[in-house]
Amino acid sequence: GAVVSQHPSWVICKSGTSVKIECRSLDFQATTMFWYRQFPKQSLMLMATSNEGSKATYEQGVEKDKFLINHASLTLSTLTVTSAHPEDSSFYICSAREDVKRNSPLHFGNGTRLTVT
Amino acid sequence: SQQGEEDPQALSIQEGENATMNCSYKTSINNLQWYRQNSGRGLVHLILIRSNEREKHSGRLRVTLDTSKKSSSLLITASRAADTASYFCATAPRGQIGNEKLTFGTGTRLTIIP
Repeated sequence: GAVVSQHPSWVICKSGTSVKIECRSLDFQATTMFWYRQFPKQSLMLMATSNEGSKATYEQGVEKDKFLINHASLTLSTLTVTSAHPEDSSFYICSAREDVKRNSPLHFGNGTRLTVT
Repeated sequence: SQQGEEDPQALSIQEGENATMNCSYKTSINNLQWYRQNSGRGLVHLILIRSNEREKHSGRLRVTLDTSKKSSSLLITASRAADTASYFCATAPRGQIGNEKLTFGTGTRLTIIP
């Protein structure tokens, strides 16, 4: 089945540094990927829609200069948390939809737990 | 924005019993999906029900959809310890192409007691 690989699975960084999270579709092409944020015991909140070859679409309240998204190929989207602060600590999850199956369910990565100290 | 509410927030049952979770939403939808999340992991798609469907089965899962009440239920029969996880409903708004921009519910944390 379709697999989405997210890397790293966890990362600890110091305040002020930047962290890059990768989301790869391993066996399918994905023009569109999605980035979510999840706080402990809460639901997933959509942060942005990543579009291959064009700018990401951010949800209301999400700082695009804080959360940089790059979708340079049909199989890779990256989320960079810039100048991270402790309040950015969270669980970040990406998902992707197969281009050739427009009505298929989304495939999710296993998430990245970010801890900012 | 978060539009789905699920209840109960947490549910503990004995292995072998049936587990029922409910989801309510606010806007018109194209379809509704249920996902499972094991602790600290990503989401796994369980089942999708379209707005013109009322009930759907997949193995031990049974999903119902009542668009007049804007609600759905997920029934897991003959529960197993491995079913312990959080379960989320997610809706795709009407008029949207494919399944983009799903809105997730608040989730139900299910614990199966061996």
